[in-house]
Amino acid sequence: DGGITQSPKYLFRKEGQNVTLSCEQNLNHDAMYWYRQDPGQGLRLIYYSQIVNDFQKGDIAEGYSVSREKKESFPLTVTSAQKNPTAFYLCASSYRGPPTTGELFFGEGSRLTVL
Amino acid sequence: GIQVEQSPPDLILQEGANSTLRCNFSDSVNNLQWFHQNPWGQLINLFYIPSGTKQNGRLSATTVATERYSLLYISSSQTTDSGVYFCAVVDSGNTPLVFGKGTRLSVIA
Repeated sequence: DGGITQSPKYLFRKEGQNVTLSCEQNLNHDAMYWYRQDPGQGLRLIYYSQIVNDFQKGDIAEGYSVSREKKESFPLTVTSAQKNPTAFYLCASSYRGPPTTGELFFGEGSRLTVL
Repeated sequence: GIQVEQSPPDLILQEGANSTLRCNFSDSVNNLQWFHQNPWGQLINLFYIPSGTKQNGRLSATTVATERYSLLYISSSQTTDSGVYFCAVVDSGNTPLVFGKGTRLSVIA
């Protein structure tokens, strides 16, 4: 089945540790995105990538890093510099990036809890 | 950047009732999507509707781009319709999808 796979679904980490969230898509989409959701809030953009080996910061990029070495993969690292990393992280993809973005599709999300 | 406002923030309905959710945006858009977030957090695509009207079963949506709003209609609501409904837009610049804060819908049997 075509889709977006995020792993792990749940992750617990100690404060000060870096963690990497995986996002893989087999939709042949050029653009991929990472969003963060806090309880009772909407989604905020962390990073996005429109093409391999290129990515742009979103509204809340501080404390996060990404890479795009393959079209199918867009991992997100939550670094120890992120002051409040506990959140729900959602990965998405679209056929093209902005401004001609078509429909976005989301993975099931990764819930990170920092103890 | 573009602002997206959704109303009402919360809505409680009796099963079988109809409802209208509204999304206002502050600039012209190239893309508008409605999503339903289920209790497990997954975002389900409902409509991709930068303009016009679409229907899918008990749900329909209308976007009036010139007046900068979109409406999501839910008819004969069911308990499984409960969750949060998000509107998200892409403006005419180079900005990815921007989300509103959502409408939390609770349908009571």
